[in-house]
Amino acid sequence: NAGVTQTPKFQVLKTGQSMTLQCAQDMNHNSMYWYRQDPGMGLRLIYYSASEGTTDKGEVPNGYNVSRLNKREFSLRLESAAPSQTSVYFCASGYSLSSYEQYFGPGTRLTVT
Amino acid sequence: AQTVTQSQPEMSVQEAETVTLSCTYDTSESNYYLFWYKQPPSRQMILVIRQEAYKQQNATENRFSVNFQKAAKSFSLKISDSQLGDTAMYFCAFMKLYETSGSRLTFGEGTQLTVNP
Repeated sequence: NAGVTQTPKFQVLKTGQSMTLQCAQDMNHNSMYWYRQDPGMGLRLIYYSASEGTTDKGEVPNGYNVSRLNKREFSLRLESAAPSQTSVYFCASGYSLSSYEQYFGPGTRLTVT
Repeated sequence: AQTVTQSQPEMSVQEAETVTLSCTYDTSESNYYLFWYKQPPSRQMILVIRQEAYKQQNATENRFSVNFQKAAKSFSLKISDSQLGDTAMYFCAFMKLYETSGSRLTFGEGTQLTVNP
């Protein structure tokens, strides 16, 4: 039981490049989330998926797209990376719409130069 | 929208002593959860303790306890008998349960706690 896994762990991009961050969970959770963590600002919600086939914007969605590929996988895509997207990205999952506990992946450190 | 504020960016404590981390929040909701998460240097987010707003009794998990003051919208974390392994960033977080659109966490800015030997 691996929990929530994320790939890659580290990534460096040039401005304008695109990339996809992958997230998978093996806990049969319905809900999945993408957060970014910046110094002094805590974690902020980018997008979330309450169930397979649905996605919704969070607090800071601009510059990102997501895909809930199936119940296990939830990817985050940067179409044209900008230095302001330099951050640590966390994926999380939760059992149901009303579940109070979210389980986090190990994070991806992304640097955009 | 909910906001969560942690007014102590950094704190330090001696090993075996007690420390309290502060958190305040603002919401118009009456039913919600509050959490404290720990993030050690490994970057992994670890749930420390949770409190349901409808419960008057303060939550306790071993050396960790909270002081939940609903009217004051305050939610502090007390760590007793501090250990070196408690050194980490601590985040306070708020969750209102949405029946149809998923449960989302709102985090505070974090408090970096250092336990000194």
